[in-house]
Amino acid sequence: AQSVSQHNHHVILSEAASLELGCNYSYGGTVNLFWYVQYPGQHLQLLLKYFSGDPLVKGIKGFEAEFIKSKFSFNLRKPSVQWSDTAEYFCAVNAPGSYIPTFGRGTSLIVHP
Amino acid sequence: DVKVTQSSRYLVKRTGEKVFLECVQDMDHENMFWYRQDPGLGLRLIYFSYDVKMKEKGDIPEGYSVSREKKERFSLILESASTNQTSMYLCASSLIGTHTGELFFGEGSRLTVL
Repeated sequence: AQSVSQHNHHVILSEAASLELGCNYSYGGTVNLFWYVQYPGQHLQLLLKYFSGDPLVKGIKGFEAEFIKSKFSFNLRKPSVQWSDTAEYFCAVNAPGSYIPTFGRGTSLIVHP
Repeated sequence: DVKVTQSSRYLVKRTGEKVFLECVQDMDHENMFWYRQDPGLGLRLIYFSYDVKMKEKGDIPEGYSVSREKKERFSLILESASTNQTSMYLCASSLIGTHTGELFFGEGSRLTVL
């Protein structure tokens, strides 16, 4: 079945550590890719998105993600995390021709001060 | 800014009760969605609508129905609530256009069925 996989379900880091969260998908063709973030007690919001062009995408709060087509991956990165990055992170992918994203199961990130 | 408003943040219902979850968006978006969010399972699509009075089943429609009588409003209905429907319910909306798929979410409705 077509799917979106997030490999890390729980990640615990100390402040200033680097972050990389994996996301892989199994759709062929042209896809739209998203990372959403849900801070504690808040609604899901868009962190960054990729539709076309430069495969290195920069989002809010210092996050970036790299689309590697050959690996069907869209990994999220941040060089130095802060306590305020504690949240749940969801990768989402639109299959070719679809406007309905399929979500990964999410990664819970805890950053210790 | 797009605003998606869900009428109830927290609800407690009894098994067998009928439950209505309301969602309103203020940006004239064509598409609206209902997801449920459960720990370890991520977001699973229940129903979506791409126009007034139009609806399509998502991945887990069983036990749910929806109504979209006006463009801005999308309601989720649990005809007879069961304990396995205890969950966080998220409404979202999006535009149809060149850059489709970006969703705008409400704050969620946490439903507990006793």
